[in-house]
Amino acid sequence: EAGVAQSPRYKIIEKRQSVAFWCNPISGHATLYWYQQILGQGPKLLIQFQNNGVVDDSQLPKDRFSAERLKGVDSTLKIQPAKLEDSAVYLCASSSRGNYGYTFGSGTRLTVV
Amino acid sequence: QQQVKQSPQSLIVQKGGISIINCAYENTAFDYFPWYQQFPGKGPALLIAIRPDVSEKKEGRFTISFNKSAKQFSLHIMDSQPGDSATYFCAARSYNTDKLIFGTGTRLQVFP
Repeated sequence: EAGVAQSPRYKIIEKRQSVAFWCNPISGHATLYWYQQILGQGPKLLIQFQNNGVVDDSQLPKDRFSAERLKGVDSTLKIQPAKLEDSAVYLCASSSRGNYGYTFGSGTRLTVV
Repeated sequence: QQQVKQSPQSLIVQKGGISIINCAYENTAFDYFPWYQQFPGKGPALLIAIRPDVSEKKEGRFTISFNKSAKQFSLHIMDSQPGDSATYFCAARSYNTDKLIFGTGTRLQVFP
C-alpha cells in the first residue's frame, strides 16, 4: 500500500507569514493525526481527526493554527501568522479503525526566520 | 500523568553490543506500547509493539520487556549494527483517547 504523503518537504518563511501543509493518508484509514516535532524532542500531537470530524485538538494553538480534513481524506494544516517557535517538522500520520499502529509520513520541515 | 519518560537521551554502542533504552509511564489507561525508529529526514516508523498482557515480545534482534507493576518497558537491540543508528521513541496509547504519547527520544549511535 502507498504510504502517507506529505507536501511540501521543506518550507522557509519569515515570521508573521502564513504557511500550509498538505497530507494524504493511506487509503481507507479513518483516523488522521498531525504531530509537531521540535528538533531533539518527541512528536507532540496537535490534532486528531476521525473521518472528517475533530476528535482532539486540545494541543492546537487555535489563535494561529487551523486544520481541516475534507471529505474524510486529505488534510491541510495552516499556520497564520507564523512565529519563530513554530520551526519544527510537521508530521502527518494515519491509522485504520482497530489498528493501533500509526503510519507516519516523512514530514514537512518548517523554518521560520 | 500523560507523560512517557524515556532514557537515556543518547547512547553509543559498539557493533555487536546490546543497546538498551528504557521508558516509564504513570497513566494506567495506557494499553499499547510501541517503539518507533526514526532516521534523519524521515518520519517515525513502527519497529515493535507490546500489549500489557505479556511481559516480553521478540522480533528478530529487537525485544520489548514490559513490567506492568513497575509501569516500565524497555527496548533491547541485540547484536547492534551500524544500520541501527537512528533515534528511537517509545510511545503509549490510551484506550480511552486513541492517541499516542511519545517519549523524548534516544539517539543511538553504533560504531563498527
